[in-house]
Amino acid sequence: EPEVTQTPSHQVTQMGQEVILRCVPISNHLYFYWYRQILGQKVEFLVSFYNNEISEKSEIFDDQFSVERPDGSNFTLKIRSTKLEDSAMYFCASSGAGGSQPQHFGDGTRLSIL
Amino acid sequence: EDQVTQSPEALRLQEGESSSLNCSYTVSGLRGLFWYRQDPGKGPEFLFTLYSAGEEKEKERLKATLTKKESFLHITAPKPEDSATYLCAVQADDYKLSFGAGTTVTVRA
Repeated sequence: EPEVTQTPSHQVTQMGQEVILRCVPISNHLYFYWYRQILGQKVEFLVSFYNNEISEKSEIFDDQFSVERPDGSNFTLKIRSTKLEDSAMYFCASSGAGGSQPQHFGDGTRLSIL
Repeated sequence: EDQVTQSPEALRLQEGESSSLNCSYTVSGLRGLFWYRQDPGKGPEFLFTLYSAGEEKEKERLKATLTKKESFLHITAPKPEDSATYLCAVQADDYKLSFGAGTTVTVRA
């Protein structure tokens, strides 16, 4: 069964450094998402991406965050200058045509900011 | 703002002991209600989508139902492998998912 893959599984970074989290969505999906889950808290929406542009973003997704689909298969989340509070699990998800199709999630990247 | 509340927070069951999880929601313009299973250290795994009140979906020992204000996930005769955190999420017109905090189910053999 096709799945969403994320790399790396764990990223440790010094505060203030830039980090790029990578995702390969399911190949025929058209909608792409990033969510995060701080330890012990709810899964929170960050951003959605469709047709090569951001379609929706949350208050969390400020100027230090950016997303890109650099080629036909990858979807990336960049955090420009990391803060301690950015430590979390970051999940990528994708869904097929039609906005109410189920979103399928990867197993996440655990980001630890020191 | 969309609100999703799940109860109970945790549920400990004996193998074979059926039970139900609750998800109550407030959303403007529900497009869909989604149930996911999450194992420790993993991403949410899709289980069901429910679109309208009265709808029911089943998969093995799981059955999800939907009313205008809440959804239930019924676990019938659970096995230890059903132990996981079950997440409920709602989707409105903006297509993002708003998640509840989850119910952690532990099934003892």
